[in-house]
This record gives sequence, structure tokens and C-alpha cells, in this order.
Amino acid sequence: GPKVLQIPSHQIIDMGQMVTLNCDPVSNHLYFYWYKQILGQQMEFLVNFYNGKVMEKSKLFKDQFSVERPDGSYFTLKIQPTALEDSAVYFCASSSPLGGYEQYFGPGTRLTVL
Amino acid sequence: GEQVEQLPSILRVQEGSSASINCTYENSASNYFPWYKQEPGENPKLIIDIRSNMERKQTQGLIVLLDKKAKRFSLHITDTQPGDSAMYFCAASAPNSAGNKLTFGIGTRVLVRP
Repeated sequence: GPKVLQIPSHQIIDMGQMVTLNCDPVSNHLYFYWYKQILGQQMEFLVNFYNGKVMEKSKLFKDQFSVERPDGSYFTLKIQPTALEDSAVYFCASSSPLGGYEQYFGPGTRLTVL
Repeated sequence: GEQVEQLPSILRVQEGSSASINCTYENSASNYFPWYKQEPGENPKLIIDIRSNMERKQTQGLIVLLDKKAKRFSLHITDTQPGDSAMYFCAASAPNSAGNKLTFGIGTRVLVRP
């Protein structure tokens, strides 16, 4: 099936540093999402992105978070500065109106903030 | 916003029997209800979904039912196999021009005993 790729798979970082998580969405998809999953819990919506803009974001999408997709390259989530509570697995997802809005998830990036 | 309740949290079944997971939602505008299977350390994988113009959908040993009046939907795994052991998440969404933010239930851990 359609594949979403994420780089890196793991990232360990000191609190206060910046981190960028990269997502390569399905090639013909137009909507992009980030979700956060704390160990043992469900995925929680952070943000979605379409046509170069943030369309909707949740309360979890703090001011320290930003997303972009410059010139059709990776869809990125940047956290600057990181905090201990940012430790989680971050999943990228993408969808296309043509596909009926089914969202396909990447393998996730496990972020550990020390 | 949307809230999705999911029960049970753990479901132990004998191989060959059926397993049922129930979810309820609050937002009457929600019209898309996917189910995801997640194995340890893996990404959530879409296994079946249903839209509000249907009451029942079946594919490859999976049945989903939707009761819009009761705002309830359910997943039934028939003839469970050890490979069905995983976390299962229901989700609800009200797609709009911003894409479709998924609100997930807390998950059900299904354990299939051989």
C-alpha cells in the first residue's frame, strides 16, 4: 500500500535543543498531519497542513512547534526549544481527497528529550 | 471538539472465536470512522473504515457497524488468529476543507490465545 517515510526513526536530544523531524508523504497526497503518541496511549492530533499552510492545530501544538514543506521536499516538524514532555513517538500521516481521505501513517520517530 | 470513547481496554479471546470492540463519539458532524491496527513498535495501519452513508461494511474477516443515532460504531473480528493480537484504535473525523483530523479512542489491546 501507500508508504509514508519518516527520518530519523529515533532521536535523543538534550532539553532546550532544537529538533527537526522529517516526513516523506505519499507522492500524490495533498494533506499532511502530525500526531503525537505517548507510550501506551492513543495518537493525538497535533496539526494538519495543506497548500503550504497550517489548516488546523490542537492545544498540543505549542508555540515551540512549527511545520513546513519547502518546495515539495520533506514535511517537517520542528520543536525549538524542546522540553521533557515532548518525549513521545511522532507520527506523520498523509491523505488525498482523491483517496477518500484515508490517512496513511509513517513508521514514526521516537523522540527522547533528556 | 470530538471525543471518542473506546471499550474494552483489553480483550482476551480464544483463537477461532470473535472479538468485538465498541466506540462512541460525540460530534454528530463526524462522518468518517476508520479503524487502525498497531503492533508494538510499528505504525498504525488502516484495516477498515466506514462512512456515515453506510451502516455495515465487511472485508476479510472484519465487520464494522455504524449506528448514527446512537453515535456508536464497532469492529468485529471473526475467527480470530494469533496474528490478530495487537492494539486496535477506532477514530472519528468530520472531513472538511482543512482535511480530516482524526480523533482516536484510547485503544484496545486484543490478545488471541492459541
